Amino acid sequence: GDSVTQMEGPVTLSEEAFLTINCTYTATGYPSLFWYVQYPGEGLQLLLKATKADDKGSNKGFEATYRKETTSFHLEKGSVQVSDSAVYFCALSHTGTASKLTFGTGTRLQVTL
Amino acid sequence: KAGVTQTPRYLIKTRGQQVTLSCSPISGHRSVSWYQQTPGQGLQFLFEYFSETQRNKGNFPGRFSGRQFSNSRSEMNVSTLELGDSALYLCASRNGTGGSSLTFGAGSRLTVL
Repeated sequence: GDSVTQMEGPVTLSEEAFLTINCTYTATGYPSLFWYVQYPGEGLQLLLKATKADDKGSNKGFEATYRKETTSFHLEKGSVQVSDSAVYFCALSHTGTASKLTFGTGTRLQVTL
Repeated sequence: KAGVTQTPRYLIKTRGQQVTLSCSPISGHRSVSWYQQTPGQGLQFLFEYFSETQRNKGNFPGRFSGRQFSNSRSEMNVSTLELGDSALYLCASRNGTGGSSLTFGAGSRLTVL
Protein backbone atom coordinates (compact mmCIF):
# COMPACT_ATOMS: atom_id res chain seq x y z
CA GLY A 1 0.00 0.00 0.00
CA ASP A 2 0.90 3.67 -0.09
CA SER A 3 3.13 5.20 2.53
CA VAL A 4 4.79 8.54 3.27
CA THR A 5 7.93 8.91 5.35
CA GLN A 6 8.98 12.19 6.90
CA MET A 7 12.05 13.12 8.86
CA GLU A 8 11.69 12.92 12.61
CA GLY A 9 11.22 16.12 14.49
CA PRO A 10 11.28 18.39 16.20
CA VAL A 11 13.35 20.63 13.99
CA THR A 12 14.61 23.70 15.83
CA LEU A 13 15.96 26.62 13.81
CA SER A 14 16.89 30.21 14.42
CA GLU A 15 14.95 32.87 12.57
CA GLU A 16 16.22 33.45 9.01
CA ALA A 17 17.78 29.98 8.84
CA PHE A 18 17.27 27.67 5.85
CA LEU A 19 14.69 24.95 6.24
CA THR A 20 14.55 21.50 4.70
CA ILE A 21 12.04 18.86 5.75
CA ASN A 22 12.54 15.56 3.96
CA CYS A 23 9.65 13.54 2.58
CA THR A 24 9.77 10.32 0.58
CA TYR A 25 6.89 8.19 -0.58
CA THR A 26 5.99 4.71 -1.73
CA ALA A 27 3.08 4.43 -4.13
CA THR A 28 2.05 2.90 -7.40
CA GLY A 29 1.56 5.09 -10.42
CA TYR A 30 1.83 8.84 -10.30
CA PRO A 31 0.26 10.26 -7.14
CA SER A 32 -0.30 13.91 -6.39
CA LEU A 33 1.86 15.21 -3.56
CA PHE A 34 1.02 17.77 -0.90
CA TRP A 35 2.39 19.65 2.06
CA TYR A 36 -0.07 20.63 4.76
CA VAL A 37 0.65 22.75 7.84
CA GLN A 38 -1.09 22.58 11.21
CA TYR A 39 -0.84 25.43 13.69
CA PRO A 40 -1.63 24.79 17.37
CA GLY A 41 -5.32 24.22 17.97
CA GLU A 42 -6.20 24.39 14.31
CA GLY A 43 -6.97 22.07 11.43
CA LEU A 44 -4.76 21.45 8.43
CA GLN A 45 -4.02 24.10 5.82
CA LEU A 46 -2.80 23.24 2.34
CA LEU A 47 0.62 24.77 1.88
CA LEU A 48 1.48 23.59 -1.62
CA LYS A 49 1.00 20.73 -4.03
CA ALA A 50 2.41 19.13 -7.17
CA THR A 51 0.54 16.79 -9.45
CA LYS A 52 3.21 15.42 -11.79
CA ALA A 53 6.90 14.68 -11.95
CA ASP A 54 9.24 17.71 -11.92
CA ASP A 55 6.41 20.05 -10.90
CA LYS A 56 7.41 22.60 -8.29
CA GLY A 57 4.81 23.70 -5.79
CA SER A 58 5.36 27.01 -4.02
CA ASN A 59 3.55 29.23 -1.54
CA LYS A 60 4.53 31.80 1.11
CA GLY A 61 8.23 31.26 0.42
CA PHE A 62 7.98 27.47 0.75
CA GLU A 63 8.88 25.23 -2.20
CA ALA A 64 8.87 21.53 -2.97
CA THR A 65 9.71 19.68 -6.19
CA TYR A 66 8.12 16.36 -7.20
CA ARG A 67 11.07 14.02 -7.86
CA LYS A 68 9.83 10.80 -9.39
CA GLU A 69 13.30 9.26 -9.69
CA THR A 70 13.93 9.58 -5.95
CA THR A 71 10.25 9.39 -4.90
CA SER A 72 10.74 12.54 -2.87
CA PHE A 73 8.98 15.84 -2.20
CA HIS A 74 11.23 17.73 0.19
CA LEU A 75 9.96 21.01 1.65
CA GLU A 76 12.32 24.01 1.65
CA LYS A 77 12.26 27.62 2.70
CA GLY A 78 15.13 30.02 2.40
CA SER A 79 14.53 32.07 5.53
CA VAL A 80 12.15 30.89 8.26
CA GLN A 81 10.24 33.14 10.62
CA VAL A 82 8.96 32.55 14.14
CA SER A 83 5.45 32.50 12.65
CA ASP A 84 6.39 29.38 10.63
CA SER A 85 6.47 27.33 13.84
CA ALA A 86 3.95 24.55 13.28
CA VAL A 87 3.65 20.88 12.34
CA TYR A 88 4.18 20.07 8.68
CA PHE A 89 2.64 17.03 7.01
CA CYS A 90 3.59 15.49 3.69
CA ALA A 91 0.78 13.60 1.94
CA LEU A 92 -0.19 11.89 -1.30
CA SER A 93 -3.36 10.96 -3.12
CA HIS A 94 -4.30 9.24 -6.35
CA THR A 95 -6.45 10.40 -9.23
CA GLY A 96 -9.97 9.17 -8.66
CA THR A 97 -9.56 9.09 -4.89
CA ALA A 98 -8.40 12.66 -4.40
CA SER A 99 -10.06 12.95 -0.98
CA LYS A 100 -8.24 9.92 0.37
CA LEU A 101 -4.91 11.32 1.51
CA THR A 102 -2.10 9.21 2.93
CA PHE A 103 -0.17 11.32 5.41
CA GLY A 104 3.29 11.17 6.88
CA THR A 105 3.71 11.37 10.63
CA GLY A 106 4.35 15.10 10.64
CA THR A 107 7.43 17.16 11.48
CA ARG A 108 7.27 19.77 14.19
CA LEU A 109 9.19 22.97 13.39
CA GLN A 110 10.18 25.37 16.15
CA VAL A 111 11.71 28.67 15.10
CA THR A 112 13.40 30.82 17.75
CA LEU A 113 14.58 34.41 17.73
CA LYS B 1 -16.44 32.80 2.07
CA ALA B 2 -17.05 30.72 5.17
CA GLY B 3 -14.71 27.81 5.75
CA VAL B 4 -15.44 24.29 6.88
CA THR B 5 -17.30 24.39 10.18
CA GLN B 6 -17.21 21.55 12.67
CA THR B 7 -19.31 21.19 15.80
CA PRO B 8 -18.83 20.64 18.62
CA ARG B 9 -15.21 21.67 18.97
CA TYR B 10 -14.67 19.74 22.19
CA LEU B 11 -16.59 16.97 23.87
CA ILE B 12 -16.11 14.38 26.58
CA LYS B 13 -17.84 11.01 26.58
CA THR B 14 -17.53 7.81 28.56
CA ARG B 15 -16.84 4.32 27.28
CA GLY B 16 -19.84 2.63 25.72
CA GLN B 17 -21.59 5.86 24.77
CA GLN B 18 -22.05 7.06 21.23
CA VAL B 19 -21.20 10.41 19.67
CA THR B 20 -22.27 12.38 16.62
CA LEU B 21 -20.07 15.02 15.05
CA SER B 22 -21.23 17.55 12.50
CA CYS B 23 -19.54 19.19 9.55
CA SER B 24 -20.73 22.01 7.30
CA PRO B 25 -18.61 22.22 4.14
CA ILE B 26 -17.68 25.26 2.16
CA SER B 27 -20.64 26.47 0.13
CA GLY B 28 -20.70 24.69 -3.20
CA HIS B 29 -18.49 21.82 -2.09
CA ARG B 30 -20.19 18.48 -2.61
CA SER B 31 -17.49 16.19 -1.25
CA VAL B 32 -16.94 15.80 2.48
CA SER B 33 -14.26 13.60 4.02
CA TRP B 34 -13.46 12.66 7.59
CA TYR B 35 -10.10 11.96 9.17
CA GLN B 36 -9.01 10.79 12.61
CA GLN B 37 -5.84 12.27 14.12
CA THR B 38 -4.17 10.61 17.10
CA PRO B 39 -0.63 10.85 18.50
CA GLY B 40 -0.06 7.13 17.93
CA GLN B 41 -1.61 6.52 14.51
CA GLY B 42 -1.34 9.99 13.02
CA LEU B 43 -3.84 11.12 10.40
CA GLN B 44 -6.03 8.37 9.03
CA PHE B 45 -8.80 8.56 6.44
CA LEU B 46 -12.22 7.47 7.66
CA PHE B 47 -14.56 7.98 4.70
CA GLU B 48 -15.72 10.34 1.98
CA TYR B 49 -19.23 11.31 1.00
CA PHE B 50 -20.25 12.84 -2.29
CA SER B 51 -23.81 13.73 -3.20
CA GLU B 52 -25.13 11.81 -0.18
CA THR B 53 -23.29 8.60 -1.15
CA GLN B 54 -20.25 7.10 0.50
CA ARG B 55 -17.57 7.14 -2.17
CA ASN B 56 -14.50 5.90 -0.31
CA LYS B 57 -13.89 4.20 2.99
CA GLY B 58 -10.82 3.70 5.17
CA ASN B 59 -9.95 0.79 7.42
CA PHE B 60 -12.06 1.48 10.47
CA PRO B 61 -14.53 -0.81 12.23
CA GLY B 62 -18.24 -0.59 11.60
CA ARG B 63 -18.69 1.44 14.79
CA PHE B 64 -17.63 4.41 12.69
CA SER B 65 -20.31 5.57 10.30
CA GLY B 66 -21.31 8.69 8.49
CA ARG B 67 -23.88 10.27 6.29
CA GLN B 68 -24.37 13.30 4.12
CA PHE B 69 -27.47 15.37 3.67
CA SER B 70 -28.87 16.98 0.55
CA ASN B 71 -27.30 20.32 1.52
CA SER B 72 -23.89 18.57 1.67
CA ARG B 73 -23.64 18.84 5.44
CA SER B 74 -22.24 15.67 6.94
CA GLU B 75 -22.31 13.85 10.24
CA MET B 76 -20.17 11.07 11.55
CA ASN B 77 -21.18 8.76 14.35
CA VAL B 78 -19.11 6.55 16.59
CA SER B 79 -21.00 3.96 18.60
CA THR B 80 -19.87 2.01 21.65
CA LEU B 81 -17.00 4.34 22.32
CA GLU B 82 -13.63 2.96 23.37
CA LEU B 83 -10.75 4.77 25.08
CA GLY B 84 -8.78 4.51 21.84
CA ASP B 85 -11.38 6.59 20.03
CA SER B 86 -10.06 9.69 21.80
CA ALA B 87 -8.81 11.82 18.94
CA LEU B 88 -9.15 14.96 16.89
CA TYR B 89 -11.69 14.31 14.16
CA LEU B 90 -11.14 16.46 11.11
CA CYS B 91 -13.62 17.14 8.37
CA ALA B 92 -12.54 18.34 4.96
CA SER B 93 -14.45 19.42 1.88
CA ARG B 94 -13.76 20.00 -1.80
CA ASN B 95 -15.88 20.73 -4.79
CA GLY B 96 -15.51 17.23 -6.11
CA THR B 97 -13.88 18.00 -9.44
CA GLY B 98 -10.67 16.27 -10.39
CA GLY B 99 -8.13 18.92 -9.53
CA SER B 100 -9.62 20.39 -6.39
CA SER B 101 -7.84 20.14 -3.05
CA LEU B 102 -9.19 19.49 0.41
CA THR B 103 -10.00 22.33 2.81
CA PHE B 104 -10.00 21.22 6.42
CA GLY B 105 -12.02 22.37 9.38
CA ALA B 106 -10.57 23.03 12.82
CA GLY B 107 -11.69 19.65 14.10
CA SER B 108 -13.72 18.17 16.92
CA ARG B 109 -11.65 16.93 19.84
CA LEU B 110 -13.22 13.88 21.44
CA THR B 111 -12.07 12.60 24.80
CA VAL B 112 -13.34 9.21 25.95
CA LEU B 113 -13.09 8.50 29.68
